[in-house]
Amino acid sequence: DAGVIQSPRHEVTEMGQEVTLRCKPISGHDYLFWYRQTMMRGLELLIYFNNNVPIDDSGMPEDRFSAKMPNASFSTLKIQPSEPRDSAVYFCASRSGTQETQYFGPGTRLLVL
Amino acid sequence: RKEVEQDPGPFNVPEGATVAFNCTYSNSASQSFFWYRQDCRKEPKLLMSVYSSGNEDGRFTAQLNRASQYISLLIRDSKLSDSATYLCVVNSGGYNKLIFGAGTRLAVHP
Repeated sequence: DAGVIQSPRHEVTEMGQEVTLRCKPISGHDYLFWYRQTMMRGLELLIYFNNNVPIDDSGMPEDRFSAKMPNASFSTLKIQPSEPRDSAVYFCASRSGTQETQYFGPGTRLLVL
Repeated sequence: RKEVEQDPGPFNVPEGATVAFNCTYSNSASQSFFWYRQDCRKEPKLLMSVYSSGNEDGRFTAQLNRASQYISLLIRDSKLSDSATYLCVVNSGGYNKLIFGAGTRLAVHP
């Protein structure tokens, strides 16, 4: 079975540019999570969705960040405008409502110059 | 104070050694506890859940002490392939808000 799919795997961009990260959760999973991992702050939850509806976005750092889930098989995390301090690995994860385990995608390594 | 605290290590141990990691958490209302493993430049993967009575999975044993808000992971007969970062994870406000510790790095050498 395919796991969580993320694209792109690597992104290098310049400060001020818009960045869009994409995620396809595991089929049948009704929860989707976006995390950010940095050396300084570790792994932090940014936002999560249940049945495509955003439930908790309290971890989103600021208005430059937005996330959408237009359907059960696709989500985006957008940063506009990007800043060097946004450089991190962004993970998407999903889980079934009947299980506790969250399954992580391979991550997108973002570098903002 | 961080919600989940771990010794960052690294723990450098020879093959065959027994190694133990500890973790403390601050939210006494937490109900779910996990150990995740993260290999270098890879995603975190669930190693095992941690239950109140303690649980074992092969060479791995996890313990929970709710009174002390303390979680442990014991690895017996370490293998080279056990080299990774081990993340202590606690839920905060339901199954969906997982708080990850910064991780403990383990390096097993021949």
